[in-house]
Amino acid sequence: GAVVSQHPSRVICKSGTSVKIECRSLDFQATTMFWYRQFPKKSLMLMATSNEGSKATYEQGVEKDKFLINHASLTLSTLTVTSAHPEDSSFYICSALRAFNEQFFGPGTRLTVL
Amino acid sequence: AQSVTQPDIHITVSEGASLELRCNYSYGATPYLFWYVQSPGQGLQLLLKYFSGDTLVQGIKGFEAEFKRSQSSFNLRKPSVHWSDAAEYFCAVGRSNFGNEKLTFGTGTRLTIIP
Repeated sequence: GAVVSQHPSRVICKSGTSVKIECRSLDFQATTMFWYRQFPKKSLMLMATSNEGSKATYEQGVEKDKFLINHASLTLSTLTVTSAHPEDSSFYICSALRAFNEQFFGPGTRLTVL
Repeated sequence: AQSVTQPDIHITVSEGASLELRCNYSYGATPYLFWYVQSPGQGLQLLLKYFSGDTLVQGIKGFEAEFKRSQSSFNLRKPSVHWSDAAEYFCAVGRSNFGNEKLTFGTGTRLTIIP
């Protein structure tokens, strides 16, 4: 099956710093990747759609200057949480679209902002 | 807009017993339906999906789901659960357009297995 990795799996940072999370499709090319946020005991909330070679599309209510997304290659998308605050602490999950409606999810990144 | 309802927040089942997790969706066109499982601290693993054809879909780990258009439902079933099935289960609906397939997830059902 298709494999999607995320790095790091867990990160702790100080308030005001920026954190970069990588999402890689290891055995297929993905022109489209998605970034989700999951709060404790909550569903996944789609944050943005990342398209290779173009700007990301953000969902309503998601600050694009806060959550910077770069999809520089067909196998890598990055999410940078800028000037992180404790309320940004969450579980961030990416997925990569391999084919029509076939998404594969990464294992997630636990972000804790102190 | 599409939406997914999982009415059961938490279900407890004895090991070896049968299981049914409920999922209702709202979508104006033909839905693309999915069930995912998430173990603690992990990403999501696809159990099964329905795009078209046979309304009874077989998935991995012995799971199956039945699409019922008249009831707008896509319930997940397993005849005999194992302790390793304890996890969070998410139902999701995708748009029926090609490309940039956004998924809308339900709020999840947490499954606890007792010996």
